[in-house]
Amino acid sequence: EPEVTQTPSHQVTQMGQEVILRCVPISNHLYFYWYRQILGQKVEFLVSFYNNEISEKSEIFDDQFSVERPDGSNFTLKIRSTKLEDSAMYFCASIGGSGALHGYTFGSGTRLTVV
Amino acid sequence: EDQVTQSPEALRLQEGESSSLNCSYTVSGLRGLFWYRQDPGKGPEFLFTLYSAGEEKEKERLKATLTKKESFLHITAPKPEDSATYLCAVPHGSSNTGKLIFGQGTTLQVKP
Repeated sequence: EPEVTQTPSHQVTQMGQEVILRCVPISNHLYFYWYRQILGQKVEFLVSFYNNEISEKSEIFDDQFSVERPDGSNFTLKIRSTKLEDSAMYFCASIGGSGALHGYTFGSGTRLTVV
Repeated sequence: EDQVTQSPEALRLQEGESSSLNCSYTVSGLRGLFWYRQDPGKGPEFLFTLYSAGEEKEKERLKATLTKKESFLHITAPKPEDSATYLCAVPHGSSNTGKLIFGQGTTLQVKP
């Protein structure tokens, strides 16, 4: 079964450093998303991406965050200057051109720890 | 504002003891309701999509149902491997590609 692949699975970084979280969505999917989940809290939406541009972003997704699809397979989330409160699980998700008929497929996540 | 509320927050069952999880939602125009299973430290794993009131879907010991205001996930004769957090989510907005609004989840523990 096709999977969404995320790397790394765990990243520890110093406060103020830049991090890049990587995702390989399912190959024929067209809509891409980043979500995050702070320990013990809800999964919350960060940003959606379609046709090489951001289609929607949450208030969490401020100027410190950016997304990119540098080639035909990768989808990245960059945090420019990490803060302690950025510590969370970050999930990438994708869906196909027919929309969410078959559900959004999530990756296994990257656990980001900012120290 | 779109909202999803799940109850209970936690549920402990003995193996074989059936029960139901609740997901109440408030959205302007439902474009599907999704159930996911999440194991500790993992991403949400898709279980079901429900689109209209009265719809039911089944998978092994799980059955999801939908009304105009809530959805239930019924677990029949659960086993310890059913222990996980079950998440409910609805898409926001006028399309079925919009962001998902998640509930806080129900953490199920099934004891042998």
